[in-house]
Amino acid sequence: GQSLEQPSEVTAVEGAIVQINCTYQTSGFYGLSWYQQHDGGAPTFLSYNALDGLEETGRFSSFLSRSDSYGYLLLQELQMKDSASYFCAVRSFSGGYNKLIFGAGTRLAVHP
Amino acid sequence: EAGVTQFPSHSVIEKGQTVTLRCDPISGHDNLYWYRRVMGKEIKFLLHFVKESKQDESGMPNNRFLAERTGGTYSTLKVQPAELEDSGVYFCASSQDEGRSEQYFGPGTRLTVT
Repeated sequence: GQSLEQPSEVTAVEGAIVQINCTYQTSGFYGLSWYQQHDGGAPTFLSYNALDGLEETGRFSSFLSRSDSYGYLLLQELQMKDSASYFCAVRSFSGGYNKLIFGAGTRLAVHP
Repeated sequence: EAGVTQFPSHSVIEKGQTVTLRCDPISGHDNLYWYRRVMGKEIKFLLHFVKESKQDESGMPNNRFLAERTGGTYSTLKVQPAELEDSGVYFCASSQDEGRSEQYFGPGTRLTVT
């Protein structure tokens, strides 16, 4: 089967750094994506890693280790507006089709 | 450029009734996807259109769900008859190319079946 595991909740304070981990078990792995969703809003794309290593985009970075079936999203200099749910999603080839498989999401609460 | 839009934003219906959800993708995006999120769980893939054709409908729960995309533009997802377990948030997403990692999501339709 295919599954993704990520923590259900993370709490941090403004200005801090937080890491949200994602482990996955899938077939035909192409890459790992991260999406952000504010309450009531649309999930929005943050990053995509197809190769091992760290990708940096401003305050956010994403890491992938294909050999460990593991990735993480790193958020630096946390701001209140970063409070949201963060989903990891694997692009995989499953059942003859190329599709995105999502995790259950990590709810990040940033406190003053 | 207008984003993905969905209608309605909320729907409350009784068990046994019918509901039709609509999605308007970003103009020019051939790929359209439907997803569902039941409270606290993963965003689960339902199906994928390429233009007007169903490319992959492996995630559709059962035959009470019918998706269409006539003319390859907007799409509808009909649930008939609705059951309690159909409650959740239904998201639509679109992308230009199937292989692109980025999908553009709509804000979702929150469906409550009572």
